[in-house]
Amino acid sequence: GQSLEQPSEVTAVEGAIVQINCTYQTSGFYGLSWYQQHDGGAPTFLSYNALDGLEETGRFSSFLSRSDSYGYLLLQELQMKDSASYFCAVRDLDSWGKLQFGAGTQVVVTP
Amino acid sequence: NAGVTQTPKFQVLKTGQSMTLQCAQDMNHEYMSWYRQDPGMGLRLIHYSVGAGITDQGEVPNGYNVSRSTTEDFPLRLLSAAPSQTSVYFCASSIHEGGTDTQYFGPGTRLTVL
Repeated sequence: GQSLEQPSEVTAVEGAIVQINCTYQTSGFYGLSWYQQHDGGAPTFLSYNALDGLEETGRFSSFLSRSDSYGYLLLQELQMKDSASYFCAVRDLDSWGKLQFGAGTQVVVTP
Repeated sequence: NAGVTQTPKFQVLKTGQSMTLQCAQDMNHEYMSWYRQDPGMGLRLIHYSVGAGITDQGEVPNGYNVSRSTTEDFPLRLLSAAPSQTSVYFCASSIHEGGTDTQYFGPGTRLTVL
């Protein structure tokens, strides 16, 4: 089976940096993904890590440590539009079509 | 490309009614999935497919059927609607190539069962 854990909520001010941690347990691991979802919208893909290390995409970065079964999403120079829910997800190697999501972290950006 | 499309956007059903939520993608993706999302919750996998003619159950399959007769379409059927099935339903398709794994979501169907 699989399980993913991430904090339920993080609050920060505009311009700050926020780190959302995700720990996972899975019988087979291929990679860790991150998705963003605004209220009333659909999830959208942010990043994917298959190998250890940091992947940077503009203000967002994602990190993976396979040995620790741990990853994080780093949001820099926070903007009001970054207020959303962020989900980590892993794909089950035993059932390749299955992508399992964590419960999500709500990020609240305040002025 | 239209991406992943879902119809209807909103639906109200009475308990016991059946209906089909439509999902189509024009990206030639092999993998497609259905999720439900309850208020303030994460995404729970209902059913998924790894190609035309191949489907399998996710975490919460009871009360739902799927079929995949073509690569493009992946309809979700509610057999006998119950209030517990009130939720937002997302269809998604995905591609795994070039060291990436990206899932594309449709806009969702907001279903209320009375």
